[in-house]
Amino acid sequence: DQQVKQNSPSLSVQEGRISILNCDYTNSMFDYFLWYKKYPAEGPTFLISISSIKDKNEDGRFTVFLNKSAKHLSLHIVPSQPGDSAVYFCAAREGNAGKSTFGDGTTLTVKP
Amino acid sequence: GAVVSQHPSWVICKSGTSVKIECRSLDFQATTMFWYRQFPKQSLMLMATSNEGSKATYEQGVEKDKFLINHASLTLSTLTVTSAHPEDSSFYICSARWGYEQFFGPGTRLTVL
Repeated sequence: DQQVKQNSPSLSVQEGRISILNCDYTNSMFDYFLWYKKYPAEGPTFLISISSIKDKNEDGRFTVFLNKSAKHLSLHIVPSQPGDSAVYFCAAREGNAGKSTFGDGTTLTVKP
Repeated sequence: GAVVSQHPSWVICKSGTSVKIECRSLDFQATTMFWYRQFPKQSLMLMATSNEGSKATYEQGVEKDKFLINHASLTLSTLTVTSAHPEDSSFYICSARWGYEQFFGPGTRLTVL
């Protein structure tokens, strides 16, 4: 049973527009959520995170929203830039010492 | 931010040989490191959790005797793929925990001929 799901394998957005990447989870014990960006043949790079005590966290062009009742989180990128084109993974963790469980990733393509 | 390095970045070996991959946290001490494997167009698959000074905790389905993990110091963990076979060819990524965050290395591309 996959505990973290990213149902959209790919997303294409025009430069300047908003990119919205979605992630759903099933384990109600998850209390910390992270988004990573990954380029081919490179390791993931941490983007932004959110604790379960919050429903929104913003860092520059990136905002993560958490809806605990729906077990859903989303990453908003606005405005989108061609350099944002990459694979985005969401991850969830139970407690500070817990291991992170990753979704399958969403490939974002931002067209100039 | 915290930096995690991996060495080598790529390696090609013959079937039956063993390959060692190093993972280092360069500017912080990591009591916990993770080893992942990624197949093409797939997610990161956690292989094992490595704790400094103790035995690694392997995920279900990962062969302990094939993927040897050693976390000898707070800045170094190694993954040794023993008696490698072509099906072991993959992209191996390590990660080190620092506080609440998890920082990833650049990955190692292993190709077994």
